[in-house]
Amino acid sequence: GESVGLHLPTLSVQEGDNSIINCAYSNSASDYFIWYKQESGKGPQFIIDIRSNMDKRQGQRVTVLLNKTVKHLSLQIAATQPGDSAVYFCAENGSSNTGKLIFGQGTTLQVKP
Amino acid sequence: DTEVTQTPKHLVMGMTNKKSLKCEQHMGHRAMYWYKQKAKKPPELMFVYSYEKLSINESVPSRFSPECPNSSLLNLHLHALQPEDSALYLCASSQDPSVDEQYFGPGTRLTVT
Repeated sequence: GESVGLHLPTLSVQEGDNSIINCAYSNSASDYFIWYKQESGKGPQFIIDIRSNMDKRQGQRVTVLLNKTVKHLSLQIAATQPGDSAVYFCAENGSSNTGKLIFGQGTTLQVKP
Repeated sequence: DTEVTQTPKHLVMGMTNKKSLKCEQHMGHRAMYWYKQKAKKPPELMFVYSYEKLSINESVPSRFSPECPNSSLLNLHLHALQPEDSALYLCASSQDPSVDEQYFGPGTRLTVT
């Protein structure tokens, strides 16, 4: 069945280091992927997205990499800050065009000062 | 205005009560969504409205009744809920169902006693 998963439930990094959060997906028909950040008590916040015709996309301090060969997605955060502490979810669309997003289980990022 | 708003922020209700959750967006989006999120879990899709018509119902129990009065508003009517329905209820919107980027509101924290 369709599933999107993250490799690690919790990632702990030192402030100033780079963070890499990984995600595996199983639906090879998915053509859109998105990363959300969810802070405690808040709704998911859009970080960055990527379509399947790309393998890399950069934002401010964030980069998303897509490897379609092994169905792997990663989020890189440069110079991680305490404000980056949150749960990060990846999601895929399953190429449905119905608006249905399939979410991964989430990775908690803890930033140590 | 790039915001999705939800009211109330918190809601406590008994199993015999009837209550409603409200969601509003003024981005001109034509797709709106209800998600349910349990603690430490990803959001789970409940309903999708596309151009004010219900397009997806993810086999949600009838004690949850969605309503889309107009393109800016989305309601979720609650009746005879169970304690296991306690969760964070998130509303989201997107330009239309074929545009995958969804913007989330802050959620309503629902407790059923």
